[in-house]
Amino acid sequence: DGGITQSPKYLFRKEGQNVTLSCEQNLNHDAMYWYRQDPGQGLRLIYYSQIVNDFQKGDIAEGYSVSREKKESFPLTVTSAQKNPTAFYLCASTTGGLGTQYFGPGTRLLVL
Amino acid sequence: DAKTTQPNSMESNEEEPVHLPCNHSTISGTDYIHWYRQLPSQGPEYVIHGLTSNVNNRMASLAIAEDRKSSTLILHRATLRDAAVYYCILRQTPLVFGKGTRLSVIA
Repeated sequence: DGGITQSPKYLFRKEGQNVTLSCEQNLNHDAMYWYRQDPGQGLRLIYYSQIVNDFQKGDIAEGYSVSREKKESFPLTVTSAQKNPTAFYLCASTTGGLGTQYFGPGTRLLVL
Repeated sequence: DAKTTQPNSMESNEEEPVHLPCNHSTISGTDYIHWYRQLPSQGPEYVIHGLTSNVNNRMASLAIAEDRKSSTLILHRATLRDAAVYYCILRQTPLVFGKGTRLSVIA
């Protein structure tokens, strides 16, 4: 089945620690996205990539970093600079342009 | 900015039709109107989209005003599984989500 996988489903971060959230898609989509969702709120864009080896900051990129070395993978690192990382993180992809956006099941990040 | 305005919440009885409104007064002539919904603890999923004409699919119908400044997502018979947050979005890259409308369905 084609789709987007995110791992892990739950992730715990200690103070001062960097953690990486995985996002993989087998839809052959060019564009990939990372969103953050806080309880009761809408989605906010962190980073997006429209092509391999290129990415752009979204509205809330501070404290996060990404890489896009392969078309199917777009990992997100939550760095120690992100002081309030507790949230639901969603990865998405599209064929590019104005196509339908497909989302993964999400990763819930909690701080110990 | 989301560029769309939706009510924060709505309530419906099970098996009755639901009309979810969306205002987009600054829409341009080439903006497609997309609807997504997000079930609890899941990622959003695509529902329907349109440009000018009304659209139907297996999930819902989309009615677009003649001046395109508003649209309505119609669920013909709400079920408990339709309880979700519904987002009305003007398609752009990247997608910008507002807070959406939280739909509650009462058995």
